[in-house]
Amino acid sequence: DAGITQSPRHKVTETGTPVTLRCHQTENHRYMYWYRQDPGHGLRLIHYSYGVKDTDKGEVSDGYSVSRSKTEDFLLTLESATSSQTSVYFCATRAGQNNSPLHFGNGTRLTVT
Amino acid sequence: RKEVEQDPGPFNVPEGATVAFNCTYSNSASQSFFWYRQDCRKEPKLLMSVYSSGNEDGRFTAQLNRASQYISLLIRDSKLSDSATYLCVVIMGTYKYIFGTGTRLKVLA
Repeated sequence: DAGITQSPRHKVTETGTPVTLRCHQTENHRYMYWYRQDPGHGLRLIHYSYGVKDTDKGEVSDGYSVSRSKTEDFLLTLESATSSQTSVYFCATRAGQNNSPLHFGNGTRLTVT
Repeated sequence: RKEVEQDPGPFNVPEGATVAFNCTYSNSASQSFFWYRQDCRKEPKLLMSVYSSGNEDGRFTAQLNRASQYISLLIRDSKLSDSATYLCVVIMGTYKYIFGTGTRLKVLA
């Protein structure tokens, strides 16, 4: 697949603490995405990036920020974690051509207590 | 109305059966379509793209009906290993990939 690594794979944290999830890709893909997946909601877009230092909000961006300082890394930060942010987080990438499919990392399971 | 809708299932079918899933989308400007497969507690993986003329990959056939705004996935000769959740994805614009909530398939021995 597209060589996408997410870290950590699992994390338990307390309400109010900041958390950073990392996505690393080795395919030199231009576009990178962060999704969360919850039962009954499917995959929902948090933020995406269309190049280094170029990012934009998705449909559920409140409480999250992102940074992309180099092509291969896309960081997702929960500024002050809340229990509603307990979820499975997936990073995805795609090549630059329009309408190309997404390729996913293996996910981070985050629990906020 | 959701932008992309799927019957959540589960669809329970015996080995060897043929099963079909539909996925409806609300925006007629939608450009491209995909089917993904997701196993329990794993990431979604691309199964196949969906082309306007329909396309086949082994036991899997994907079709697009733009007039009625749905895509379909047909699985022939179901295997136990086909048990998974199938997600449809619709692209709108340059970056917007909209996922359905998935249809669960259980193939029974």
